[in-house]
Amino acid sequence: QVQLQESGPGLVKPSETLSLTCTVSGGSISSYYWSWIRQPAGKGLEWIGRIYSSGSTNYNPSLKSRVTMSVDTSKNQFSLKLRSVTAADTAVYYCARGPRGYYYDMDVWGQGTTVTVSS
Amino acid sequence: QSVLTQPPSVSGAPGQRVTISCTGSNSNFGAGFDVHWYQHLPGTAPKLLISGNSNRPSGVPDRFSGSKSGTSASLAITGLQAEDEADYYCQSYDSSLSGWVFGGGTKLTVL
Repeated sequence: QVQLQESGPGLVKPSETLSLTCTVSGGSISSYYWSWIRQPAGKGLEWIGRIYSSGSTNYNPSLKSRVTMSVDTSKNQFSLKLRSVTAADTAVYYCARGPRGYYYDMDVWGQGTTVTVSS
Repeated sequence: QSVLTQPPSVSGAPGQRVTISCTGSNSNFGAGFDVHWYQHLPGTAPKLLISGNSNRPSGVPDRFSGSKSGTSASLAITGLQAEDEADYYCQSYDSSLSGWVFGGGTKLTVL
């Protein structure tokens, strides 16, 4: 059974870069798409972007200028970097498997990690 | 303001049937993109509940069902149980935004 676990600093200063890693266990990262999603307190879910195991990416246009995703197949991990953060980036960040296309879902999720942007 | 609109809350007594609506537009549901539903208890991993409009992944009870018509979708839960108390989210793809989108979430309270 595939499981995902997010990790990274829980506190990031304004204007700095938020960096998170998602570790995939119980299965291979290869041949799948992997996404990052976030949820600010009291708000809905927002898709940040996805990466294929080969490294190709798709980003939410509203965040594209600040986001970089990468994958390390040898470690079964993929990562998120969000630059120039502000308080508006404070949220619970989730990693998930998928979607593999326009018509598809995200079928496995991590428990999420809280990131606070504050000085 | 989420692209997909859900009621903030719904409630029902044990054993009853509740529905959660998800209203989209011509750039998502109306364009033919599927709806998917997730169940989320705070502090836990969101769980895929309904895939591809109406398909239940393995292990999801048949008390949960989904449908989509035009620019709207809905999730129905019959035989409501205390363990169903959670937040529910709909999700689809939006061609205008060029990305995957979610509803704002609906909190289900079992009275």
